[in-house]
Amino acid sequence: GDSVTQMEGPVTLSEEAFLTINCTYTATGYPSLFWYVQYPGEGLQLLLKATKADDKGSNKGFEATYRKETTSFHLEKGSVQVSDSAVYFCALAYSGAGSYQLTFGKGTKLSVIP
Amino acid sequence: NAGVTQTPKFRILKIGQSMTLQCTQDMNHNYMYWYRQDPGMGLKLIYYSVGAGITDKGEVPNGYNVSRSTTEDFPLRLELAAPSQTSVYFCASSPRAGLAGGPSYNEQFFGPGTRLTVL
Repeated sequence: GDSVTQMEGPVTLSEEAFLTINCTYTATGYPSLFWYVQYPGEGLQLLLKATKADDKGSNKGFEATYRKETTSFHLEKGSVQVSDSAVYFCALAYSGAGSYQLTFGKGTKLSVIP
Repeated sequence: NAGVTQTPKFRILKIGQSMTLQCTQDMNHNYMYWYRQDPGMGLKLIYYSVGAGITDKGEVPNGYNVSRSTTEDFPLRLELAAPSQTSVYFCASSPRAGLAGGPSYNEQFFGPGTRLTVL
């Protein structure tokens, strides 16, 4: 079945450091890919998405490129801030006439220290 | 818009008790979902619904029941609480697919969660 694998956390970075969170997927078709973020005490919210190969999703300084050849969707940010401390989830879903179920990775906790 | 709201925020149950977790969305979304999140794990889908009157099982449905009598509400029922059901429960909703030929992707909107402990 479909699955998403994320790098193990937690990840601790100093403010202004470069961030990479690796995400790879296994899928039978051509899914859309997502990064969701969960701030402390809150529900998940969509950070960015990509719907086809070579698409780049971006939001709030974060970027991720849909790489079909390596089945990856790594999250990057050039300079993290303390406010980026959260848990980040990579996910995939198929679009179409049916339901829109998301398959999530286990999440990567990021802590940014001043 | 309030988005997706869930009640209660916290609850402690004894083994064998029952309860209903409430979920309401005011975005007129067709699809609704219930997930559980265990420590250090991703979210696992319990049940989902593609519209009023239609529900289906997700990955981990055992021990739970749902109903969808209206577009807005999607309650989750625990009949006989067990310690294995200690978790954080999230409700989510998403709109129907885009028009044919257009972009079609899934953004789910999540509620703030219910933290349930079964002792």
